[in-house]
Parts: sequence; structure tokens; C-alpha cells
Amino acid sequence: QPQLLESGPGLVKPSETLSLTCTLSGGSISSGSYYWGCIRQPPGKGLEWIGSISYSGSTSYNPSLKSRVTISVDTSKNQFSLEVSSVTAADTAVYYCVRIRVATTSSYYFYMDVWGKGTTVTVSS
Amino acid sequence: EIVLTQSPGTLSLSPGERATLSCRASQSVSSSYLAWYQQKPGQAPRLLIYGASSRATGIPNRFSGSGSGTDFTLTISRLEPEDFAVYYCQQYGSSPLFTFGPGTKVDIK
Repeated sequence: QPQLLESGPGLVKPSETLSLTCTLSGGSISSGSYYWGCIRQPPGKGLEWIGSISYSGSTSYNPSLKSRVTISVDTSKNQFSLEVSSVTAADTAVYYCVRIRVATTSSYYFYMDVWGKGTTVTVSS
Repeated sequence: EIVLTQSPGTLSLSPGERATLSCRASQSVSSSYLAWYQQKPGQAPRLLIYGASSRATGIPNRFSGSGSGTDFTLTISRLEPEDFAVYYCQQYGSSPLFTFGPGTKVDIK
């Protein structure tokens, strides 16, 4: 069973860069049937897509965050990483790594079928 | 941008009852690109339905999805105690590429 594990500091100072690494076990990040992504959930609120990346490095970002977000992939480590620059208190959230299924043998879909457990990131001085 | 609206915000029901959750899109969404998730407190969301009506692996058949265009529905035929949770719909296709609805909380009456 594939699993995603988030790792990174739980506390980040305002104006600094939030860095998160997502490590995949039980599968290969190089599979062409999947993209890899990051979702966040502020305390008591709903889910927000941050961005996603293919194994080849093609990225898509939420326009609301695009100027501050970078997602990269390291296939040799079976990992992908998120950076959010110039953070403020509004970036405080639980951050999830997800696997996005993009294709089956018969059709294209785009849904998140594997989720990490999430990691809480607090922005505070 | 496609905005997803979910109703009701909260659904108060008893175990054994039927739950009907609505997800309405501001523009037409391809059925292939509509999914539903369940989230319990302190846990990550779990995929229930993809392609508007296909159950994900391991999801009980009391969960079903339907709909097309701008109107989609998640139905839980008979609520089990473990089904009380928050449910989100999600679409793919319009910038931003992925958007979620605000969620419907199903709580115990």
C-alpha cells in the first residue's frame, strides 16, 4: 500500500520560507499515472489545493499562491518538496501531501487517492 | 474559476437514516473530474467517490454518487456510526485546477 509521509518544521517565523518534504513508500514516484500534490487546511476551515507536479517536473500552482510557491520532485529519493516563501500567519495550516490519480486504462480522472497524515505548520515569531 | 457550493452546511441525522448531500458547481464540470472525500476529526481526508459515481477501493456500497453538469449528489443509504464526519466535493479542470467545496458536516441527531 502506498503511503506518503510529510516532514518539515512545525514552526516557521513570519517572512521566512516554509519547507515541506513528502516521501513516498510502497510505490514509485516516477509512475506516469499519477501527479503529486500539496493541500492545506487552516484551523477549522476547508481544503485548499496549493499545487501539483508530475514525475517529469511539470508543475501547476494555485494562482492565489503562485508567486510564493515552488514544488519540486526528486525521483532518486522518491520524494517531492514544497516551499512557500514570505509566510504570514495566514499560512498556518495542516499541510497534506497527496497522490493524484490522473489516468486509468480507460479514462482520465483527477482525484486524490492517497493522502499523508498531514503536518501542522504554525507561522509565528 | 469554478466555485463549488455544498448544501446543507450541516445535516443532523440518526444512525440508520439516509443522507443526501449536494454539491453544485458554478459552471459545468465533467463527471470524470468530480470526487467526494470524507474527513473525520484529526484525520486526513479519505477518497470515497471519483468520476462522480465510482466508489474508491474499500468504500462500502452504502456510499453512492450521482449527477452531471453542475449538480452532483453523494448519498449514504443507511448511516453507520462511523459515517458521521465532514464530506467535501472536489473538481478538476478550471483554474485553479483543483477546487473543493466548503464541506457538509453530518452529525448525530
